[in-house]
Amino acid sequence: ETGVTQTPRHLVMGMTNKKSLKCEQHLGHNAMYWYKQSAKKPLELMFVYNFKEQTENNSVPSRFSPECPNSSHLFLHLHTLQPEDSALYLCASSQAGSGGPNTGELFFGEGSRLTVL
Amino acid sequence: TQLLEQSPQFLSIQEGENLTVYCNSSSVFSSLQWYRQEPGEGPVLLVTVVTGGEVKKLKRLTFQFGDARKDSSLHITAAQPGDTGLYLCAGEYGGTYKYIFGTGTRLKVLA
Repeated sequence: ETGVTQTPRHLVMGMTNKKSLKCEQHLGHNAMYWYKQSAKKPLELMFVYNFKEQTENNSVPSRFSPECPNSSHLFLHLHTLQPEDSALYLCASSQAGSGGPNTGELFFGEGSRLTVL
Repeated sequence: TQLLEQSPQFLSIQEGENLTVYCNSSSVFSSLQWYRQEPGEGPVLLVTVVTGGEVKKLKRLTFQFGDARKDSSLHITAAQPGDTGLYLCAGEYGGTYKYIFGTGTRLKVLA
């Protein structure tokens, strides 16, 4: 138990569906992240939220839409996805410092395994 | 695009053997972390190194951060089946809260 909970653990959707992934952290952290992990690529940073403000959008297609309503919750809204979007989507949180090197640990959830048909 | 290359990509060894995993980049990082990920789980932090040349030991695991803070290595002594997993390095750019992960090394230790 890492203190970061992701739901659902598994999701199968068609290309025309709209679904959402949810992440909740119980660690009091102020930064939250979405990463994509696929079989043949390194863990890819998608979005970063720091104090609920999006500070990073790593050239992610608009069919992925993040939402961070508060510092404990993070969503990833999915619509008109492609089969190549099938992957494990990992949420993480950390306690970001106010400047200088951030040596904070990333706490990951168990991931949501997404299959796009 | 910053890239962290890990080598080897795959490693299968017998219990009791030693091994070293490398993490290399052309970029300078403020800090570098090593994670291990087991099937069905997210990565879990093993260590953070901050200072160039720093060496940290965690039981049978020894981590080193390169002098120029561009590379790192993980050495495991007397590997055990419980060490099996995906090892990931991750570099962070000062103040950006942005962790870039390496390509990963999948280790299998046979009993």
